[in-house]
Amino acid sequence: QKEVEQNSGPLSVPEGAIASLNCTYSDRGSQSFFWYRQYSGKSPELIMFIYSNGDKEDGRFTAQLNKASQYVSLLIRDSQPSDSATYLCALLAQRGSGGGADGLTFGKGTHLIIQP
Amino acid sequence: DAGVTQSPTHLIKTRGQQVTLRCSPKSGHDTVSWYQQALGQGPQFIFQYYEEEERQRGNFPDRFSGHQFPNYSSELNVNALLLGDSALYLCASSWGGLAGGMNEQFFGPGTRLTVL
Repeated sequence: QKEVEQNSGPLSVPEGAIASLNCTYSDRGSQSFFWYRQYSGKSPELIMFIYSNGDKEDGRFTAQLNKASQYVSLLIRDSQPSDSATYLCALLAQRGSGGGADGLTFGKGTHLIIQP
Repeated sequence: DAGVTQSPTHLIKTRGQQVTLRCSPKSGHDTVSWYQQALGQGPQFIFQYYEEEERQRGNFPDRFSGHQFPNYSSELNVNALLLGDSALYLCASSWGGLAGGMNEQFFGPGTRLTVL
């Protein structure tokens, strides 16, 4: 059974600092990993995805993946008050055949608060 | 470029009733996945439609059923509603392709269902 664990928080970070969000997973067959941001009352918004071990950078965001240790993290540099939201980690296992993407398995999310 | 759209935005039903939710995928996408998100939880995968067939299903009872139309839009039907079905129902679209399995999923705004 696939499980995704996240610290629910809240994680409080001063404005301008680096916010570090972590996620661990149990299914070694997981192939790709996603970070979604969800504002209160809104739907999840895709921020980043990562498939390979190592770091992937996109603007102020860096995703890090370590498949051997089964963790994925998201770093947010120069944190802004607008980054305050719940961050959802999700994984997807490779589908063998038949086409179509699999269903994502989500963690419960980490509530991030950026303090002005 | 229209994103993922869902209707209705909000819905109030009573126990035992039936409900139909609708989703139109993002332009260029052919796969629709449905998720249920209870308050304070991450989204839970219900099922996925690709080429007008249900391709994968999460741990949801048969009261939850769906359909995909030739234009890739989709419906989620829930019969014999229970109080516990109250949640945000999210539709996500992606491109299935031949290999599948690795593609990013983009969420619509969701339908908030309240069962009284």
